[in-house]
Amino acid sequence: QKEVEQNSGPLSVPEGAIASLNCTYSDRGSQSFFWYRQYSGKSPELIMSIYSNGDKEDGRFTAQLNKASQYVSLLIRDSQPSDSATYLCAPTTGGGNKLTFGTGTQLKVEL
Amino acid sequence: ETGVTQTPRHLVMGMTNKKSLKCEQHLGHNAMYWYKQSAKKPLELMFVYSLEERVENNSVPSRFSPECPNSSHLFLHLHTLQPEDSALYLCASSQDILSGANVLTFGAGSRLTVL
Repeated sequence: QKEVEQNSGPLSVPEGAIASLNCTYSDRGSQSFFWYRQYSGKSPELIMSIYSNGDKEDGRFTAQLNKASQYVSLLIRDSQPSDSATYLCAPTTGGGNKLTFGTGTQLKVEL
Repeated sequence: ETGVTQTPRHLVMGMTNKKSLKCEQHLGHNAMYWYKQSAKKPLELMFVYSLEERVENNSVPSRFSPECPNSSHLFLHLHTLQPEDSALYLCASSQDILSGANVLTFGAGSRLTVL
């Protein structure tokens, strides 16, 4: 079992729709969870962090965490073509603050 | 200069060459990292430095040799690499490695091709 699992995609959504990106992780001790966005040919940039069960909203982005199910997701409302990128899920693992990254989900927002 | 700067952006080297990747952060952070990103694989943590002291070495082959002369600079020295070492090498920094909110700031990366 991979430490962090994400569907590689591509996930295609029409402009204006909600994009739902999912991530499962194996380390029950994970405490902090991060979503990074990586445009093609660019470096990852942090877009969301979440530490407690439930939802956290920031603009068009909502992160959802369910530690019992070891599941974290990212919702993007009113998707724009500029949201087309690969989204990396990264929980902390190993009981500390080491980040373990998933392979990422490629999102394509189509006009 | 702001953020995390990496040079060179692109590097092509033969298997017998010796080269170095350089990273500089202008954020006043205390921790610096080297990651390797290969196609279809997750980001792999290679090395972690905290206040110039190496705190993690993830079973990286000795043909990769890191150096952290101060908290702002990080190098990755390369020698006798293999073609499978071709990848994007990302440098990152964070305020420190003890914070629960371990926010990484990445550089633009150095694209390495080993012939």
